[in-house]
Amino acid sequence: QKEVEQDPGPLSVPEGAIVSLNCTYSNSAFQYFMWYRQYSRKGPELLMYTYSSGNKEDGRFTAQVDKSSKYISLFIRDSQPSDSATYLCAMSRIQGAQKLVFGQGTRLTINP
Amino acid sequence: EAGVAQSPRYKIIEKRQSVAFWCNPISGHATLYWYQQILGQGPKLLIQFQNNGVVDDSQLPKDRFSAERLKGVDSTLKIQPAKLEDSAVYLCASSLVPDSPLHFGNGTRLTVT
Repeated sequence: QKEVEQDPGPLSVPEGAIVSLNCTYSNSAFQYFMWYRQYSRKGPELLMYTYSSGNKEDGRFTAQVDKSSKYISLFIRDSQPSDSATYLCAMSRIQGAQKLVFGQGTRLTINP
Repeated sequence: EAGVAQSPRYKIIEKRQSVAFWCNPISGHATLYWYQQILGQGPKLLIQFQNNGVVDDSQLPKDRFSAERLKGVDSTLKIQPAKLEDSAVYLCASSLVPDSPLHFGNGTRLTVT
């Protein structure tokens, strides 16, 4: 069993829809949770960074962490064609960039 | 702020040949990482440097992969000899300090035939 599981999709939704992306994990020691966006032929870029359980909102993006269920989510409101990308969850036992374990990514397409 | 620079962008080699990738991190970033991203998978850490010292190379296949970071700035990752399963995107990333967020370069796409 992988430490981090993520549905690879692909996921295709119409413009303006609310998108929900999810990851589950098995290691209860994970404390720091991140979402990265990766456009085709580009490197991943950090979207959201959260510590422990709870919600964090940044513009159209909301990250949720439920440590009791070992489940994290990223919601995108009012989705735009420019949101079309692969979304990677990542998590770590320690703060920052070290020891990150990535999910395999979900490919998302927003249709105009 | 200039981003993480990597070269070349693409490389095609035959199995058993050698190849090298170069990375220049964001100025002032002390921590540098090399990741391997196989098609359809998330990035997997190969090696982490703090300045010019290795912090973590536990997932680096040391029989064929090597990396160095001379003078604590630029870094090179080498594969010798390459295998078919090494076909992947090799991503370099840097962070100001180990507990600050990662900044990725755009990667080098390696195809081994």
